[in-house]
Order: sequence, then C-alpha cells, then structure tokens
Amino acid sequence: DTGVSQDPRHKITKRGQNVTFRCDPISEHNRLYWYRQTLGQGPEFLTYFQNEAQLEKSRLLSDRFSAERPKGSFSTLEIQRTEQGDSAMYLCASSLVGTGGNTGELFFGEGSRLTVL
Amino acid sequence: GESVGLHLPTLSVQEGDNSIINCAYSNSASDYFIWYKQESGKGPQFIIDIRSNMDKRQGQRVTVLLNKTVKHLSLQIAATQPGDSAVYFCAEGPHNYGGATNKLIFGTGTLLAVQP
Repeated sequence: DTGVSQDPRHKITKRGQNVTFRCDPISEHNRLYWYRQTLGQGPEFLTYFQNEAQLEKSRLLSDRFSAERPKGSFSTLEIQRTEQGDSAMYLCASSLVGTGGNTGELFFGEGSRLTVL
Repeated sequence: GESVGLHLPTLSVQEGDNSIINCAYSNSASDYFIWYKQESGKGPQFIIDIRSNMDKRQGQRVTVLLNKTVKHLSLQIAATQPGDSAVYFCAEGPHNYGGATNKLIFGTGTLLAVQP
C-alpha cells in the first residue's frame, strides 16, 4: 500500500498523559497536513509542512500540541497533558506541490482515533 | 469567521436515482473548491474539484456546479449506487503561487443514504 499511513489507528489514554501519532505520507509528496475531526463534523486544519518546514499553524493548535517533520518525510503529532476535549480523529494528508499539475488534491490517511478518559 | 456549510445534513435516495448535495460558502475570496467522500472509519477521499474560473466540471458519474453569485456549490451524482453511501464534504482552499492550495476548510458534511 503506497497511500498515507498513520499509526496507531486507535489510542486510548488517561487525561494528563502524553500521546504521539505518526504519519507516513506518500513517498514523493512534499506537503504534509494534520487535521482534526470530531464526530459529525468536517476535518479542521491544524498545521502543514512543506518538506521539513512548518509553514502554518492553526489557532486550534495550542501549546500542548507540537508537530514535527524532521527529515521532510514522516511526521509526528504530539499532544501533551491530554484533555478529554482532545478526543477526536487526527487525520494526516499529503500532496505534491511545485512540479506542475498539482490540483490541490490532498490524499488522506485513515486517521488516528484518540479517546481521552 | 468565514466558513463553509451545508444545507442538508442527511439525504436519502433510491438506488438508481440522481443525488444532489448542496454546499454554501461565505468567503467570496475562495477560488478553489473540492468535494470529498468519507466512508465510515476511513479518511476523506477526493471526488472532484473546481476552480473559481469555471462554473461546471464533470467527472465519472459526478458533476460539480459552482455559482459564485450566490456562493453555492453542488455535487450531482448520477445513478446513485449503494456504494455511494457516505458522508460528503465540500471544502474550500485558496490557491497560491504554483497553483497549489495550502490548506482546506471543510464544511460540516452531508450523509448520503442510498436505499436499495
């Protein structure tokens, strides 16, 4: 499977614990995005990277959230001191930019579902 | 703030009928729109997109219509099949240099239920 992969698919944690999610984008894609989705709602933009540079962060991304893409390939999203309101599906997407023909199509992974007890 | 929203949260259609899913957007500066399909437990899947210099675009069994005057977007699915049952999201994205969007803003979603 050469699509976007995310790990873990499901995570249950207690309030106050730290969690980390990993995303492996499609290999030739240079942009990587993180979104959060709650039940019945559309995905909400959190942040995106072009290669290893984090170019934009949403106001939704509080200081408890940090995302990295150290080598411009896989990315991690860490949530520190989790709260019950952090329970959601965390979606990763990737796209290819700059080589012509990019339509803005984001390819999404299956998501990492977080439940904070 | 500016947002993208949907008129109907749930749409039930008979197999073989045509489906129309509507979306309203409020940011008149938006110049790129996409429809995504999301099945239960899966990530959103690209269906079709349209730029603001167009008012209609067709794909396989799907057509997207854009009415910039009233800031309205619709997705038409011809001969709806049970496999089309999913939540459908419209999204808007500003285009920057290179023709690439840097982020998408999604609407709430419409559940399409296809009755056999």
